[in-house]
Amino acid sequence: QVQLVQSGAEVKKPGASVKVSCKASGYTFTSYGISWVRQAPGQGLEWMGWISAYNGNTNYAQKLQGRVTMTTDTSTSTAYMELRSLRSDDTAVYYCARDNYDSSGYLSRWGQGTLVTVSS
Amino acid sequence: EIVMTQSPATLSVSPGERATLSCRASQSVSSNLAWYQQKPGQAPRLLIYGASTRATGIPARFSGSGSGTEFTLTISSLQSEDFAVYYCQQYNNWPPPTFGQGTKLEIK
Repeated sequence: QVQLVQSGAEVKKPGASVKVSCKASGYTFTSYGISWVRQAPGQGLEWMGWISAYNGNTNYAQKLQGRVTMTTDTSTSTAYMELRSLRSDDTAVYYCARDNYDSSGYLSRWGQGTLVTVSS
Repeated sequence: EIVMTQSPATLSVSPGERATLSCRASQSVSSNLAWYQQKPGQAPRLLIYGASTRATGIPARFSGSGSGTEFTLTISSLQSEDFAVYYCQQYNNWPPPTFGQGTKLEIK
């Protein structure tokens, strides 16, 4: 069955970076893309960006441009999201989700989420 | 950026009754609209895509309708496990795909 398993919770200081992983199984990784979505405490869902596991193309939310990088390792079917220059308002649960290989569409499977806490 | 507006913010319904949730787009998104269910402490789960197609394993009591700017998610006979937060998402115009702010469905 399709599974996305994310790395564990992180606590970071303001200004630091975090890298969250998302290991896929149960499907052909390179036939899809991965979107990253975050959810601040008690808030709604915010799309952060998308990467094609087929060709590595990316598209990031404008507000995160310059601070976020999404990559994939096709040899291990793993996607990564790195967020730099962390601020307190980056505290959120970060989700990866399976998406289209050529564009962002509906998100058919989600990882379990990774809590990132930014605090001094 | 397309703004998605869901109503109501909170909906109180008794088990066994019908629930109707609304989602409005600031401009047409054709039928490129999805619905997700999120329970406390869990990741969202895809319910509906293409405005009206149920995702794999989703019970028939969930149905979606609409096109353009007005969409509806209907749950025909509420079960205890259906009480959750529901989000709509448009993916017609991206980047970015955008989510509504959510409707909390609570037990009356």
